[in-house]
Amino acid sequence: NAGVTQTPKFRILKIGQSMTLQCAQDMNHNYMYWYRQDPGMGLKLIYYSVGAGITDKGEVPNGYNVSRSTTEDFPLRLELAAPSQTSVYFCASSYSSWSEQYFGPGTRLTVT
Amino acid sequence: QKEVEQNSGPLSVPEGAIASLNCTYSDRGSQSFFWYRQYSGKSPELIMFIYSNGDKEDGRFTAQLNKASQYVSLLIRDSQPSDSATYLCAVPSIHAGNMLTFGGGTRLMVKP
Repeated sequence: NAGVTQTPKFRILKIGQSMTLQCAQDMNHNYMYWYRQDPGMGLKLIYYSVGAGITDKGEVPNGYNVSRSTTEDFPLRLELAAPSQTSVYFCASSYSSWSEQYFGPGTRLTVT
Repeated sequence: QKEVEQNSGPLSVPEGAIASLNCTYSDRGSQSFFWYRQYSGKSPELIMFIYSNGDKEDGRFTAQLNKASQYVSLLIRDSQPSDSATYLCAVPSIHAGNMLTFGGGTRLMVKP
């Protein structure tokens, strides 16, 4: 099992550009999450999904969009990148909202 | 008041000592509590979870939960330099659809 995979590992964007962060899991988990982590800070929930076709906003959703067409994939879309979106992005999955979350390796994004 | 609060540290302990990490939470209805460890530049990994009042032990780690006082602690006995990391407390929050809310983390440094 690969667990949770994320691509790319690093990316530099110019202000106003758009991109999609990819996330996939092979554990057949229904729950998937996107977090951002700023330097020296904890994790902030951006969006989550409780199953294919069902997504909901987390604590900091502005500037982002998600979709969940399959159980395995949960891409995060950044539209019109801003310097405030410079962060490390983690994707995670879990069997339920009460169970252990498994994290991907993260994507380090810089917007200049 | 933040939903999950931790002292950011750094907490510095000598090798072989007991490290005590604390976390307070605001949602009295929370039923489960998680401790994640995050090495610098890596993704978080679960080390302990606890559901009931009292202590839960796993090797050198002990989680302590006091629901009346709304705090959860993590004790690391016989601390090793390899324990040097940031420890994140996470609690499901009704304000986030019962999704996990993470504290800002406590940075632990174990000195040889």
